[in-house]
Amino acid sequence: GEDVEQSLFLSVREGDSSVINCTYTDSSSTYLYWYKQEPGAGLQLLTYIFSNMDMKQDQRLTVLLNKKDKHLSLRIADTQTGDSAIYFCAERSGGYNKLIFGAGTRLAVHP
Amino acid sequence: EAGVVQSPRYKIIEKKQPVAFWCNPISGHNTLYWYLQNLGQGPELLIRYENEEAVDDSQLPKDRFSAERLKGVDSTLKIQPAELGDSAVYLCASSLDGTENIQYFGAGTRLSVL
Repeated sequence: GEDVEQSLFLSVREGDSSVINCTYTDSSSTYLYWYKQEPGAGLQLLTYIFSNMDMKQDQRLTVLLNKKDKHLSLRIADTQTGDSAIYFCAERSGGYNKLIFGAGTRLAVHP
Repeated sequence: EAGVVQSPRYKIIEKKQPVAFWCNPISGHNTLYWYLQNLGQGPELLIRYENEEAVDDSQLPKDRFSAERLKGVDSTLKIQPAELGDSAVYLCASSLDGTENIQYFGAGTRLSVL
């Protein structure tokens, strides 16, 4: 079945790069997404990548996709305290408008 | 442009009581979703509407949960009767038809059942 897995916690120093990893199981996934959730708020779309791409860059964000290994990563350059949040990876279940989310990675940024 | 609006933001009820959540999607978005987010977990789809039609409600516990989307705009999600295990955040999202299926989320309703 469909499943998305993420590491639960990441701690980085302010100014360093953060890399959040995700693995998924549905090889027919067409799009993969990264969402950010701050305390008490809904999910905010950060970026997404189409499955025929290897990389996508958007300002401080870089998404890498290894389709063979079903591995997705999100790199945040020059991480700031405002980046502290929970980051969710999601795959679009092939052929359906249904997103399967991981459990989220809590990113803590310290001075 | 206004985002997805949900109300109430918080709701505290006693078990066995009914409760309802309301969602107003982004104007023009024909697809609306209700998700359940348990503490420490990612959202899980409960039901998806395309216009007025519920096209995927396989994960909706139909014995106590119901939803409607009259006129293909606003939607309500109801639980009757609520159980302790229903305590969670209920998220609404909307999207336009399209290959990218970008879903925009509301802030959610946090339900506590005592």
